[in-house]
Formats: sequence, C-alpha cells, structure tokens
Amino acid sequence: KQEVTQIPAALSVPEGENLVLNCSFTDSAIYNLQWFRQDPGKGLTSLLLIQSSQREQTSGRLNASLDKSSGRSTLYIAASQPGDSATYLCAVRPDLFQGGSEKLVFGKGMKLTVNP
Amino acid sequence: EPEVTQTPSHQVTQMGQEVILRCVPISNHLYFYWYRQILGQKVEFLVSFYNNEISEKSEIFDDQFSVERPDGSNFTLKIRSTKLEDSAMYFCASSESRGLAGLTQYFGPGTRLTVL
Repeated sequence: KQEVTQIPAALSVPEGENLVLNCSFTDSAIYNLQWFRQDPGKGLTSLLLIQSSQREQTSGRLNASLDKSSGRSTLYIAASQPGDSATYLCAVRPDLFQGGSEKLVFGKGMKLTVNP
Repeated sequence: EPEVTQTPSHQVTQMGQEVILRCVPISNHLYFYWYRQILGQKVEFLVSFYNNEISEKSEIFDDQFSVERPDGSNFTLKIRSTKLEDSAMYFCASSESRGLAGLTQYFGPGTRLTVL
C-alpha cells in the first residue's frame, strides 16, 4: 500500500529564504506526482505535476524534482514571501498496468509560515 | 480561468439524514473525483467517475455513498444515512483526460459537512 510522508509537519522561516520541502513515498511505481497548496479552510490549488518519466518541473519561483527510484520529491521555493504561507501537499498517482490508478494518495502536508 | 465549484460551502445535518453535495466540474473535463479530509488528517480518495460510471472507488466508499452526473454540468455525492464520522471537508475534482495532457486534477473549494 502506497504511503506518502512529508517531514517536517511545519516550518517557520523569515522572508527571503530559499526553501526545500520534502516528500517521500514507499512504492516507486507511480504514474505521476502532484504538489498542491492549501490555504486555511480552502480547496487545493495545483502547483506542479511531474510525470514519472520526468526529473523536474518549474513554474515561476517553484521547482519540483522527482527521484522515483528512491521514492522522493522535493519542492523548491525561491526567495520566499509571506504570501507563500500555506500548507503544501504532495500526492502521488499509483501506477497500474495500462496507465495508472485514478486516485491520488496524499501526504499530510507541511504547514509553511513565512514571516515578514 | 475555469474552476471547479461546489455547493454548499457548509452543510450541517443530523445523524441519519441524507445529504447531497454538489459540484460543477470544469466544463471540458471528462473525469470526476470525490475526496474527503477529516480535520487534521490526510486527504483521502473516495471515488472516480468517467463516462457515467464509477471507474474506481476506495474502501471508504461503501453502500451509503453514491455518485451521479444528473445532467451535463453537475456531479453529486450522496450520503444516504450520515454518521458522526462522516464529518469532514469533501472535495470535488476534475481532470481533462487520462492522457498526458490532462492528468492534472483540479480541486474545488470543498464542502464542510458537519454531522450532529
């Protein structure tokens, strides 16, 4: 059974720092991995999706990498801002024969606070 | 930008009552999903729906749950006889396809269900 872990559960940093958020998963048979942002009481906003065949994806100040064989992904946030404060969730889509499961398996998330 | 919408934002019900949670997926999307998040816990997959039938469901999605696409725009989750443990945030999501171009799942803002 696929398990996704995000450590630490919370992180508080001063504005301007470059950040690395970690995600690990137990089964390397994944179809893709998706990073989300969740603001308090709100839905999930998709940030980046990495296919299992890719090593990284970039969007603005965000860069996500994937090392499938070791079961790890990192989300890199450059020059953090107070507006980046949110919970960041990692989710994997298990790989099944002929294209993958429908579901996403989520980590518990990491609550990021960026202080001005 | 197109987005997934959900109504109501908050639903309070008595134990044993039936509830219907409503979602309007992004208009050209073909795959629809329900997830839930119990307070303080991980987001969990419930069910996926394609071509007017369930394509995958989790162990949580038992006989008290059902999904329907009653018309060309709405996607609903019905809980027949609510229990206290059904209290959670319920998220609807949609994706364009299962092909590489449409794998990203887009989430709605959620419906907070409180069962008393």
